[in-house]
Amino acid sequence: SYVLTQPPSVSVPPGQTARITCGGNRIGSKTVHWYQQKPGQAPVLVVYDGSHRPSGIPERFSGSNSGNTATLTISGVGAGDEADYHCQVWDGNIDLPGVFGGGTKLTVL
Amino acid sequence: QVRLQVSGPGLVKPSQTLSLTCSVSGGSMRIDGYYWTWIRQRPEKGLEYIGYIYHTGSTNYNPSLKSRIAMSIDTSKKQFSLKLRSVTAADTALYFCARGSQGGDGVCFDNWGPGSLVTVSS
Repeated sequence: SYVLTQPPSVSVPPGQTARITCGGNRIGSKTVHWYQQKPGQAPVLVVYDGSHRPSGIPERFSGSNSGNTATLTISGVGAGDEADYHCQVWDGNIDLPGVFGGGTKLTVL
Repeated sequence: QVRLQVSGPGLVKPSQTLSLTCSVSGGSMRIDGYYWTWIRQRPEKGLEYIGYIYHTGSTNYNPSLKSRIAMSIDTSKKQFSLKLRSVTAADTALYFCARGSQGGDGVCFDNWGPGSLVTVSS
């Protein structure tokens, strides 16, 4: 089955830019989605189809994808962005289409 | 806006069957392109795809759980359900139901229920 690898943690000072990576074999050929999950809450979709934002998600959230790495970029981070972030692809492997990365905890210093 | 809500016991004994139901409000379940999905999160772990059921009744199950899972759907009641047999402590997790939406080139989960903690313990 397809494997997605995320760093366990990323720390960024407030106001700076956070970049959270998601590694996978030729992930650049796949469509990646990103979720934000705050403690005790369900995940919320923040980027879909690689670079699109659902209604209500700030422009500070953006996504890119190339080669073996997809990246979620959050500009001007604030305390409200502190959360776990999960990447996800829908793999063509019919046995296990739903694949998530292990999640990255974003800490705003 | 679609809303999802999980219901079911919060405590299940080892070797018994975990049964959860997800109730859907605010939208139709019969629309093509929606995958009614179960996802779980074990303590301090990432998200794990359990499987989906389509409005036609077709299913896809995670191979690691396939031998123990059964999903069903009742679109008239706007519910879908999960049964996980022969549970062990390793099945203790926060269980989410979610709507998967077919996009340009794959499926993303655009609506989630709040999750239901299920503990397996005697």
